[in-house]
Amino acid sequence: QSALTQPASVSASPGQSIAISCTGTSSDIGGYKYVSWYQQYPGKAPKLIIYDVSNRPSGVPDRFSGSKSGNTASLTISGLQAEDEADYYCSSYTNTRTLGVFGGGTKLTVL
Amino acid sequence: EVQLVESGGGLVQPGGSLSLSCAASGFSFTTYWMSWVRQAPGKGLEWVANINKDGSKGYYVDSVKGRFSISRDNAKNSLYLQMNSLRAEDTAVYYCARDDWQQLKDWGQGTLVTVSP
Repeated sequence: QSALTQPASVSASPGQSIAISCTGTSSDIGGYKYVSWYQQYPGKAPKLIIYDVSNRPSGVPDRFSGSKSGNTASLTISGLQAEDEADYYCSSYTNTRTLGVFGGGTKLTVL
Repeated sequence: EVQLVESGGGLVQPGGSLSLSCAASGFSFTTYWMSWVRQAPGKGLEWVANINKDGSKGYYVDSVKGRFSISRDNAKNSLYLQMNSLRAEDTAVYYCARDDWQQLKDWGQGTLVTVSP
């Protein structure tokens, strides 16, 4: 069982918007700004797409955005494209140990 | 450009040992914590270990404590993971990553470790 809770799957059509939630506790998401999101294609390494809750690394399209409210973080993808079909993982700093924690991952299907 | 290149994976019998390496370039290696993260076949990501900037302290997930050892050589810009007493459940792709407040800014391509008779 993962420390952070994500939906197992989400799906939507091209052009639509989706949000993936990631629920933790006050010891991780709720207590710190160090929430990150990763995109992973099959057989490939994960790639950071959001850090510090809502910042995008250089090269990540602005269709990807992050936010946080209380103990829940969210990744929103607007204007869905076929290439967005991938697995998405959230992660957070936690004060309960020195290793970070991951969510279980969400498979995004673009219909 | 940041590059992280893992090596050392392979097939090993249960109870055996394996040593992974990660060669880093394109950033100031000594100013970042580093992490190892693994992904079992068809499963999610699991943080295995991380190490502080000067290599004096390593931290581990409970399932590998006492069996795995993380280290780094800042003169060689390299990260290591020594894995002993390997079990079938250690079978996974192992990634090294640049760790910035437990946010993994860059990842290597991964190296596959298979523990099987």
